[in-house]
Amino acid sequence: GDSVTQMEGPVTLSEEAFLTINCTYTATGYPSLFWYVQYPGEGLQLLLKATKADDKGSNKGFEATYRKETTSFHLEKGSVQVSDSAVYFCALIGYGQNFVFGPGTRLSVLP
Amino acid sequence: KAGVTQTPRYLIKTRGQQVTLSCSPISGHRSVSWYQQTPGQGLQFLFEYFSETQRNKGNFPGRFSGRQFSNSRSEMNVSTLELGDSALYLCASSLAPGGANTGELFFGEGSRLTVL
Repeated sequence: GDSVTQMEGPVTLSEEAFLTINCTYTATGYPSLFWYVQYPGEGLQLLLKATKADDKGSNKGFEATYRKETTSFHLEKGSVQVSDSAVYFCALIGYGQNFVFGPGTRLSVLP
Repeated sequence: KAGVTQTPRYLIKTRGQQVTLSCSPISGHRSVSWYQQTPGQGLQFLFEYFSETQRNKGNFPGRFSGRQFSNSRSEMNVSTLELGDSALYLCASSLAPGGANTGELFFGEGSRLTVL
């Protein structure tokens, strides 16, 4: 079945550092890809998405590009802030299927 | 507009008991999905309901069940609780099944169940 693999962390960075969280997937067909974020004590919320190959999703300074050839959707941000501390989930959904989430990556940003 | 509301937010049960969790989706959303979140297993899909019909079910034992009402509110029930059922149970709603069309799920804050 479909699956998502991502670095589990925790990842600890200093404020203004560059962030990369790797995500790779296995799926039949051409799934849509997502990054969701979970702040402490909250549910998940959509951060960004890409629905076809070479699409770039972006939001709040975060970016991820749908790479079909490497089956990847790595999350990047040029300069992280303390407020970015959260758990980040890579996810996919195939046609007619349900969301499949990766294990989550906990990010801690230190001032 | 109001978000996804889950009740109760926290509850403590003992082994062998049963529990019912409730989820009110965003107004107009007809699809409700349930997920179990644990530190070791991450988010695992339990089931999805659309227009009062179970559309998909994850790989959980029959002790886990759910239903959806005509107003799209959903409940999930866990019978004969086990220690391993301790988790955060998240509900998510969307306009269409599986988040199709928009590809977005809207999550509640979850119900944290502790089984002693």
